[in-house]
Formats: sequence, structure tokens, C-alpha cells
Amino acid sequence: GENVEQHPSTLSVQEGDSAVIKCTYSDSASNYFPWYKQELGKRPQLIIDIRSNVGEKKDQRIAVTLNKTAKHFSLHITETQPEDSAVYFCAASPSGGYQKVTFGIGTKLQVIP
Amino acid sequence: DGGITQSPKYLFRKEGQNVTLSCEQNLNHDAMYWYRQDPGQGLRLIYYSQIVNDFQKGDIAEGYSVSREKKESFPLTVTSAQKNPTAFYLCASVTRTNTGELFFGEGSRLTVL
Repeated sequence: GENVEQHPSTLSVQEGDSAVIKCTYSDSASNYFPWYKQELGKRPQLIIDIRSNVGEKKDQRIAVTLNKTAKHFSLHITETQPEDSAVYFCAASPSGGYQKVTFGIGTKLQVIP
Repeated sequence: DGGITQSPKYLFRKEGQNVTLSCEQNLNHDAMYWYRQDPGQGLRLIYYSQIVNDFQKGDIAEGYSVSREKKESFPLTVTSAQKNPTAFYLCASVTRTNTGELFFGEGSRLTVL
């Protein structure tokens, strides 16, 4: 089955700096890679996703890159703000989230004002 | 309002008792999922169901059971066979036709005394 590894497990950055979270996956059949943000005491929510036919996707301060050959994908947050502090999860799935979705262990991001 | 409702939010049970967690959605979503969240272990898939009257084991199905008699409902039973049931449980759903985004409930925290 699919195995998703995520690192680092914790990350502290100064406000305004960039943050990068990296994930690797094992199943070459995976072609949908979402990222979820979970604020303290709240449910995880999708912030960005990418499919295997795309190498990079941006949404304002957030971007995701995918290297399908190396089986890794990364989340980049620029100009971090205190409200970016949360736990971020990467995930992988074949053919979209309708099928089995495997998550990484999560990265706790702390943005220091 | 459309959404996913999990109940109860908090549950305390004695060791050896079976417990059923409720998950109801009015989003007309096809697939539903149960995840377990433990500190430092991310979201681990227990069971998922793509259609009514069918479900598949996830990565940590031992000690759990589910049913999918109605499209809107996907209850999870934590049996006495589950060796370490104290955890935060998240239910999610996704429609076959959307982008693949998982919509999560607010979770149920189970504590076994």
C-alpha cells in the first residue's frame, strides 16, 4: 500500500520568512496530492492540491511542487504570518480523493511574530 | 447548512465496552472515511466506503467495525478488541464528481478509562 513520509515534524519560522514542508510517497499509482491545514481544535481543511500532470501550482502565498519521477512533493508558504501557525498534512491518493487517501504524520508550523 | 456531523464530541467509556461513533452527512457525497488522529502519527485510515453496503479496510482496521446502510450515514464501532482506543476520531466524505477534497467533521474524542 501507499506510504507517505513527511518532514519536518515541527518547524519554527520568523514572521515574513518562508516555510517549506516536504513529502515523499511510495506508490507510483498515486496521482492526486492534497495539502490540509488543521488549526488548533479545528477540523483539517484543504488548502491546495496538485495532480500528477502538473509540476507546480500556486495560490497567493502558497505553492506546491511535484516531482513525480522522484516521488516527492513540497508545500511552500511565503511571507508567513502568525495565522499560518497550524499543523499541515500532506496526502496521496490514486485518481483523486474518491479512493483511499493516505496522509503523512503532519508538520506543526509555528510562526513567531 | 450542508456538512458532516459527528457525535458525540466527547465520549468516556470503561475498558471492555463497545462504543459507536456517529457520522452523518447531508452533502450527497458518495464516499465516506474514518480516520484516527494521534499526536505524532498523523491521520491514519481505519475504514472507507465508496458506495452504500460496501466498505474497505484501511491501514488500522483491527478492533473496529463499520456499516454503510444509507448514503448519509457511516457509523464506526470501536470494539473491545481495539487495544488502544483512546484517540481523536475524524469522519470525512467526498463526492465522486468533485476535485477530491475531503470534507471533515469536527471529530469525536474517545477516552477509555
